[in-house]
Amino acid sequence: DQQVKQNSPSLSVQEGRISILNCDYTNSMFDYFLWYKKYPAEGPTFLISISSIKDKNEDGRFTVFLNKSAKHLSLHIVPSQPGDSAVYFCAASAQQAGTALIFGKGTTLSVSS
Amino acid sequence: KAGVTQTPRYLIKTRGQQVTLSCSPISGHRSVSWYQQTPGQGLQFLFEYFSETQRNKGNFPGRFSGRQFSNSRSEMNVSTLELGDSALYLCASSSSGRRKETQYFGPGTRLLVL
Repeated sequence: DQQVKQNSPSLSVQEGRISILNCDYTNSMFDYFLWYKKYPAEGPTFLISISSIKDKNEDGRFTVFLNKSAKHLSLHIVPSQPGDSAVYFCAASAQQAGTALIFGKGTTLSVSS
Repeated sequence: KAGVTQTPRYLIKTRGQQVTLSCSPISGHRSVSWYQQTPGQGLQFLFEYFSETQRNKGNFPGRFSGRQFSNSRSEMNVSTLELGDSALYLCASSSSGRRKETQYFGPGTRLLVL
């Protein structure tokens, strides 16, 4: 049973607009969440993380929002750039799982100029 | 610093064979984790090694094994290969292996089992 779900396999956005990628989780023991970006033929690259004690974390153009009651997090990219076109993975961590990350299946973002 | 390196990058094997994949973590990193990525299941955790000891293990059969050497380099072995083992195998390293520490991924080894 998937504990981390990214229900949108793909998202298309115009350059300069906001990209919003969503992620839902089912395990209430998750207390740390991460977003990774992956280009073809490369490994995932860490983007941003958030601890469950926060509801927002910003890093430049990237902001992650966490809604614990809804078990939902989202990644906002503003403004979107063509170089942001990649697969974005949401991942979660729980104390009992040690350092193992539980990943969603990814959302492919396409930013057109 | 050089990033995480994985060799080989591509591999073709036939059913029943075994395969060994290698991962060199970022210099100074002591924790190495392995993940399998398939189109159907996404990225799934295989196991983690820290200071030459397997510290954590995912839900994979015993055909999947690994080890870590004193220089933190890690190898993953898959015996009696099955068609379903075709996947991208990724390793990730982190400095101290603390849970909320960023894990840095290598480019992966793409394994095709025929």
